[in-house]
Amino acid sequence: DQQVKQNSPSLSVQEGRISILNCDYTNSMFDYFLWYKKYPAEGPTFLISISSIKDKNEDGRFTVFLNKSAKHLSLHIVPSQPGDSAVYFCAASRDDKIIFGKGTRLHILP
Amino acid sequence: DGGITQSPKYLFRKEGQNVTLSCEQNLNHDAMYWYRQDPGQGLRLIYYSQIVNDFQKGDIAEGYSVSREKKESFPLTVTSAQKNPTAFYLCASGQGYTEAFFGQGTRLTVV
Repeated sequence: DQQVKQNSPSLSVQEGRISILNCDYTNSMFDYFLWYKKYPAEGPTFLISISSIKDKNEDGRFTVFLNKSAKHLSLHIVPSQPGDSAVYFCAASRDDKIIFGKGTRLHILP
Repeated sequence: DGGITQSPKYLFRKEGQNVTLSCEQNLNHDAMYWYRQDPGQGLRLIYYSQIVNDFQKGDIAEGYSVSREKKESFPLTVTSAQKNPTAFYLCASGQGYTEAFFGQGTRLTVV
């Protein structure tokens, strides 16, 4: 049973436009949500997180929105840059475990 | 510099052999994790440990074993019982569950 779902395997966005990556979860007991970015053959790097008691967190070009009633979160990147091309993982934590989605590959087009 | 070190970066194993992947951290984190990445599968949790001398199975623990004798070290052994060991293995550490910092990964190939 997949508790964290990223339903779009890939996404292509024009450089300079907004990239929106989506994530759904099934367990209302998750209390922290995180986004990671991963380049090939490297470990994921932490991008941004949000506590379940908040609905928005912003850090530079990255903003994460949390809709608890819909069990949905999204990562907005604006403006998108070529270096943003990578795989993005959504993650959720509970009971001292961090559970990841399958990832979305983001392609930034010139 | 503080960080997480995984070694080796590439590892080849013959079928039927056990192999141990190293993970060391000097971030003074209590929690350590092992994940496996396969194409289209994302990151799947193998084992995790919240304190020294204690660890719990993750979602795909079968065929793997771990130990946590020191806070800094969390080695993963891929045993011959693991049916599909070829994958990219990632170790992470964290303080509590608010963030995990990852190593660079080990790519294991069975030949």
